[in-house]
This record gives sequence, C-alpha cells and structure tokens, in this order.
Amino acid sequence: DTAVSQTPKYLVTQMGNDKSIKCEQNLGHDTMYWYKQDSKKFLKIMFSYNNKELIINETVPNRFSPKSPDKAHLNLHINSLELGDSAVYFCASSQPRRGASIQYFGAGTRLSVL
Amino acid sequence: GIQVEQSPPDLILQEGANSTLRCNFSDSVNNLQWFHQNPWGQLINLFYIPSGTKQNGRLSATTVATERYSLLYISSSQTTDSGVYFCAVERKNTGGFKTIFGAGTRLFVKA
Repeated sequence: DTAVSQTPKYLVTQMGNDKSIKCEQNLGHDTMYWYKQDSKKFLKIMFSYNNKELIINETVPNRFSPKSPDKAHLNLHINSLELGDSAVYFCASSQPRRGASIQYFGAGTRLSVL
Repeated sequence: GIQVEQSPPDLILQEGANSTLRCNFSDSVNNLQWFHQNPWGQLINLFYIPSGTKQNGRLSATTVATERYSLLYISSSQTTDSGVYFCAVERKNTGGFKTIFGAGTRLFVKA
C-alpha cells in the first residue's frame, strides 16, 4: 500500500496547455510538499501545506496553483505550460514533531512539455 | 539564504569499497536528512539526523551541528547503492520550515 502516491507518473503535453498532478498520502501526516527536480537533478521546494493551509510558497510563477481539499491530498495545477516547466515533480509528506521531521516522497511525475 | 554543499559531486567505487560523503551548510539548521535517489528516481529517506550519529546496516551518518557539517558513511558498497545521495536541511522560515537540498553526490558502484 503506497504511502505517498502521485498520478500520473508520466505527463507529455504541448506548450500552452493546462495540466494537473494529484498527490495523496495515507500516512495521516499534517504537512505536504511539492518539489521540482530539474534535468541536473537539483531539487527545489515549491510549496508546503500544513493541515490544508499554505505555509511555504517559494518564488514559483503564479501559473502554478496548489490546492489541498483535505490534509491527505495536495494537487498541483499548472496553467499555460512552458518548455521550462519540463521536470520531475515530487510530492512529499511529513508529520512535524517539534517543527521538523522525516519527509516521505512519492515516486514523482515526469512532465515533458513539447 | 542558507547554502548546502555536498562533496564529492561524483564518485565511482568498486564493489566492496567504503566511502564518505560530506554535506556542509552555511547556517544553523533545525533538521538534516540524508536521502538516496535510486536509478529509477525514487527518493528514500536514509537518516533523520539533526545531530549525533546513527547507524542502519552498512550505512551510518554523523552530524556535527556546531561545525555545520554532516557525513554519510557507506561501508562494503554494493551495486544497489548506486544513485544520487542528497543532503537536505530544514530551517525555520516565516510560516513554517523550509527544506533546502544540496546538489547531491552521484555514486556509481561497479561490480
């Protein structure tokens, strides 16, 4: 039973399209994250939610909009896709204890914008 | 912002060899984690180690928070150890804890 699951695993789309990536965790964690990993494997946090509330919002274009319908789900919607959005997007979750804790990652969604 | 530097950037080992990976960070942190990203892209947490030493099988990690570095030791390396090893630090930010990853150490273990 996968702890943090993302769908789809692969996403190939044309420039200008709108797409969504879904993430669900069954660990009962309060905090969820979205990360972007570029072609050089560099990982950067995009957003962090705690109990459905946005707490970290890095300098991400506002074409990216996260939505957390409940604390087990954090979806990422991307409008007007650009070539530079091609990357692997990872969802993660954690249960903060005294502020910081182990993060568990999903398998990633490989987005290719043509 | 805080800088996280990992060394070496690339490492090739013969199976059975030992190695040490290093992570330096430029400011005090609340937490430090080591991750392994396997060749299929999956990120696995190895250690949650804001300070002290932990061991898990052939892997061990030490963080010296006062000197702002952490070390990951891999003993008797196996081909399945290949992949990218990331150090990630967490630091309190306005509103929450921000995670910053190093650029990683790419390890290839030859049979």
